[in-house]
Amino acid sequence: SQTIHQWPATLVQPVGSPLSLECTVEGTSNPNLYWYRQAAGRGLQLLFYSVGIGQISSEVPQNLSASRPQDRQFILSSKKLLLSDSGFYLCAWSVLGENTEAFFGQGTRLTVV
Amino acid sequence: GDSVTQMEGPVTLSEEAFLTINCTYTATGYPSLFWYVQYPGEGLQLLLKATKADDKGSNKGFEATYRKETTSFHLEKGSVQVSDSAVYFCALGKTGRRALTFGSGTRLQVQP
Repeated sequence: SQTIHQWPATLVQPVGSPLSLECTVEGTSNPNLYWYRQAAGRGLQLLFYSVGIGQISSEVPQNLSASRPQDRQFILSSKKLLLSDSGFYLCAWSVLGENTEAFFGQGTRLTVV
Repeated sequence: GDSVTQMEGPVTLSEEAFLTINCTYTATGYPSLFWYVQYPGEGLQLLLKATKADDKGSNKGFEATYRKETTSFHLEKGSVQVSDSAVYFCALGKTGRRALTFGSGTRLQVQP
């Protein structure tokens, strides 16, 4: 069966510090991978989307970047965090090319102080 | 472009009450429709789905019917429990589209 792992679960970082959140998927090959952000009490904002290694689409211009160094690994990064980067970050995967459901990780609660 | 509209929350119900959370969509073609549930501090879990018109998705007592004529996918449950308290998201997906399109979410609070 397929599983998705996302870590860390919670993170408190000072303004101006770097960020690295990691997501890995097991039990499937060549998935679509996604990073979403959810501000407190708000809906989901799609940040990045990837259909393959090294292929990243950015949905919203911002202080963040994403990379896909391996088929089932997706990393969200920032060189210098802003207060506005605080939120709940969710990684997800779906079957490539199909209008099927996405499967989500447990999320990372990021607080920038 | 494609969009999903959900009723505003929070929805507050007493235990054993009937639940309806409205969801309507705008899309070309033949999307698949989904309901996700998010419990506090957790990621989203797929609750149910429907892939074509008149399909009924069901899971854990929740149901939703894909109504193409009214472009709706309303979530219903006959008798809610305190444990159903969560945020519910309606979403649509289409082949070739980058990602699912989500509604803004509806918070459900069930009181004992």
